[in-house]
Amino acid sequence: AQTVTQSQPEMSVQEAETVTLSCTYDTSESDYYLFWYKQPPSRQMILVIRQEAYKQQNATENRFSVNFQKAAKSFSLKISDSQLGDAAMYFCAYRSAVAGGGADGLTFGKGTHLIIQP
Amino acid sequence: ETGVTQSPTHLIKTRGQQVTLRCSSQSGHNTVSWYQQALGQGPQFIFQYYREEENGRGNFPPRFSGLQFPNYSSELNVNALELDDSALYLCASRPGLNTNNEQFFGPGTRLTVL
Repeated sequence: AQTVTQSQPEMSVQEAETVTLSCTYDTSESDYYLFWYKQPPSRQMILVIRQEAYKQQNATENRFSVNFQKAAKSFSLKISDSQLGDAAMYFCAYRSAVAGGGADGLTFGKGTHLIIQP
Repeated sequence: ETGVTQSPTHLIKTRGQQVTLRCSSQSGHNTVSWYQQALGQGPQFIFQYYREEENGRGNFPPRFSGLQFPNYSSELNVNALELDDSALYLCASRPGLNTNNEQFFGPGTRLTVL
């Protein structure tokens, strides 16, 4: 079974600064997807960024980028130019690339609470 | 285009009772997954439905069951409620079984078991 670990329960950053959230995972699979989700107080889980394991290039979405280290099983999220609207819980998640059965479910970490200081 | 919706928003039940939670998938999405998110934790996968059949299941007992209807909406039923079932229940939908397809989440139902 896969596991996802987020070792930072809470992070705080000044507005306009850069912050990095850490995530490590454990799997015996070679093909999978990794995700960062944002969950604001409204509770709705929103996809921030995704990474396919077979791609060596790190994914980037505007101010959000990842550092994917497949051999180290590490998947960190960097948020540049932090904004007040970035404040939320951030969850790292894993999904197998094999379709069917329980493999389709996402495995989430426990989350990191990101605080943006004005 | 309407996103994923869930009802009710909040629910309070007593231990031993049964509860039904509802989810309407996003238009065109025939795959629906349910997750349980306990307070301070990440969501845990309960099960997935595809074309009205359960297609995958996480580590949850049989008292957690579900249905999917021809319009792809879905229900999560929990029998013999326990205090530990208190959680936010999230529904997510996506088109087809391709694991490359993005899942879209609903706002969740907050269940409190007393």
